[in-house]
Amino acid sequence: DAKTTQPPSMDCAEGRAANLPCNHSTISGNEYVYWYRQIHSQGPQYIIHGLKNNETNEMASLIITEDRKSSTLILPHATLRDTAVYYCAPSGNTGKLIFGQGTTLQVKP
Amino acid sequence: NAGVTQTPKFRVLKTGQSMTLLCAQDMNHEYMYWYRQDPGMGLRLIHYSVGEGTTAKGEVPDGYNVSRLKKQNFLLGLESAAPSQTSVYFCASSYRRKTGANVLTFGAGSRLTVL
Repeated sequence: DAKTTQPPSMDCAEGRAANLPCNHSTISGNEYVYWYRQIHSQGPQYIIHGLKNNETNEMASLIITEDRKSSTLILPHATLRDTAVYYCAPSGNTGKLIFGQGTTLQVKP
Repeated sequence: NAGVTQTPKFRVLKTGQSMTLLCAQDMNHEYMYWYRQDPGMGLRLIHYSVGEGTTAKGEVPDGYNVSRLKKQNFLLGLESAAPSQTSVYFCASSYRRKTGANVLTFGAGSRLTVL
């Protein structure tokens, strides 16, 4: 199972872009990179996933490096409601996610 | 469409007691998972299932048993509860898309305290 490294915490000003990095240097060729977030003690919420190409949806954008060893989640206009713990996790055919410690994002007014 | 429902939401046990957590999903998902989350920590995978009648061990399976007799249900059992099993337990389910991706839907969690 691929291991991930994320900074423990980050701050972002409300309305600005939040860029959350993740290192997954041991990712396998068939593994997607998934991003989830957890607000307070709720169940994690899916944000976005990608394999090789950059991806964008209504919540965020995902930038994956060409060697696939790292990725960056971008929240283009962070709001106070985006304050949460963000997890990245590579995953293959079984869908099982091995979470790391995640990044606690604090969006400040 | 309730998604993933966990029962019970809260439970207090005494050391040595047994209990079963029930996870039910109404999305016809093939895959189901049980995680635990200790205070200030990330989620750790206990057991998972890739289909009815199949189960597999995750990162921290010791002290837990699981069963997937019906596609929609995934049961997590504690035969002899220990204080170290005090945690919040999350269930999730997913299906494998045509692209090969597998997006998990999580339940709201079950908070278990073992005294």
